[in-house]
Amino acid sequence: EPEVTQTPSHQVTQMGQEVILRCVPISNHLYFYWYRQILGQKVEFLVSFYNNEISEKSEIFDDQFSVERPDGSNFTLKIRSTKLEDSAMYFCASSDVRQTPAKNIQYFGAGTRLSVL
Amino acid sequence: DAKTTQPTSMDCAEGRAANLPCNHSTISGNEYVYWYRQIHSQGPQYIIHGLKNNETNEMASLIITEDRKSSTLILPHATLRDTAVYYCIVRVYFGNEKLTFGTGTRLTIIP
Repeated sequence: EPEVTQTPSHQVTQMGQEVILRCVPISNHLYFYWYRQILGQKVEFLVSFYNNEISEKSEIFDDQFSVERPDGSNFTLKIRSTKLEDSAMYFCASSDVRQTPAKNIQYFGAGTRLSVL
Repeated sequence: DAKTTQPTSMDCAEGRAANLPCNHSTISGNEYVYWYRQIHSQGPQYIIHGLKNNETNEMASLIITEDRKSSTLILPHATLRDTAVYYCIVRVYFGNEKLTFGTGTRLTIIP
């Protein structure tokens, strides 16, 4: 069964450093998303991406964050200067809107645990 | 997106049916009910969705009341692997609408 793949599974970084989280969405999917979950809290939407541009972003997704689809298979989330409060699980998701709208289902990867020290 | 209300936690004996309720009294006509679950901080996993008819797939059944103000997710024969946080989400069906997760119901399957 096709799945969303995220690497690395765990990323440790120093405060102020840049990190890039990587995702390989399901191959025929067209919409891509990033969510995050701080330990013990809700899963929060960060950004959605379609046709090589951001479709929607949340208040969390400030100028420190950026997304990119550098090639036909990868989707990345970059955090330019990490802060302690960026420590969280980051989940990538994708969906295939060529299905009927009623089947617009988002499939999630296993996540990357980001630890900012 | 309409707000949903779910019990904070529930227990269910292994092998029995787990019935997870969700209230969504402000749901709009173009909003579907989606259920996801999250097993121990893994990525959320899609379970099932519906508009107004009852739905069944290999994982679960979804019963939506006629007025669409509430629904119940049914896991027919719960196993220990079904221990997870279950999220009921209402969402418009078109485009790339984000999922808005609440706190969900923590379901514990008891041996």
